[in-house]
Amino acid sequence: DTGVSQNPRHKITKRGQNVTFRCDPISEHNRLYWYRQTLGQGPEFLTYFQNEAQLEKSRLLSDRFSAERPKGSFSTLEIQRTEQGDSAMYLCASSLGGGGRTQYFGPGTRLLVL
Amino acid sequence: DQQVKQNSPSLSVQEGRISILNCDYTNSMFDYFLWYKKYPAEGPTFLISISSIKDKNEDGRFTVFLNKSAKHLSLHIVPSQPGDSAVYFCAASGSGFQKLVFGTGTRLLVSP
Repeated sequence: DTGVSQNPRHKITKRGQNVTFRCDPISEHNRLYWYRQTLGQGPEFLTYFQNEAQLEKSRLLSDRFSAERPKGSFSTLEIQRTEQGDSAMYLCASSLGGGGRTQYFGPGTRLLVL
Repeated sequence: DQQVKQNSPSLSVQEGRISILNCDYTNSMFDYFLWYKKYPAEGPTFLISISSIKDKNEDGRFTVFLNKSAKHLSLHIVPSQPGDSAVYFCAASGSGFQKLVFGTGTRLLVSP
């Protein structure tokens, strides 16, 4: 039984560069979520997918951020023209959907923008 | 606008005693509540949840209590163990929306 996996686990980049993160959800889960966590705060919702459809986006998700979930399996989160304020832990979660509302999180990708 | 609040940033407890972590919420649309445990540099690990149709849910050493009229929930850990030392997050969601809204966390330290 594999859980949610995320790659890479750590990413250091220079301001202005583009970065892409990948999330592989639990295999039978049709809902996938992205959150961001900064120091001293709880995770904050960014966006979620049901199968391949992106159904909700937070206002935190500026136009430099884009997320995809082709074929309703893995998902990618891309940040273009990174800024130092993008430094955070990016968390992916998945849930079964329907009556299964518990979200299970991956280990996260820690991004540092220099 | 902090819809989920954990007003105690930290809690210290001795091994074997009870740990009680508290959480308050403001949005009456929340109907599903969860507790997660988080170690540094790891993702949150699901512990226990409760639906608003219940007032108590128990799983081993962990019990969550929900007081809807007070918009308050608590997590009880009995007996506490040193391995329970971590940051605990309360989260909530509503039937009309899927996202989880998290509190800011409480750091629990269980000393031997």
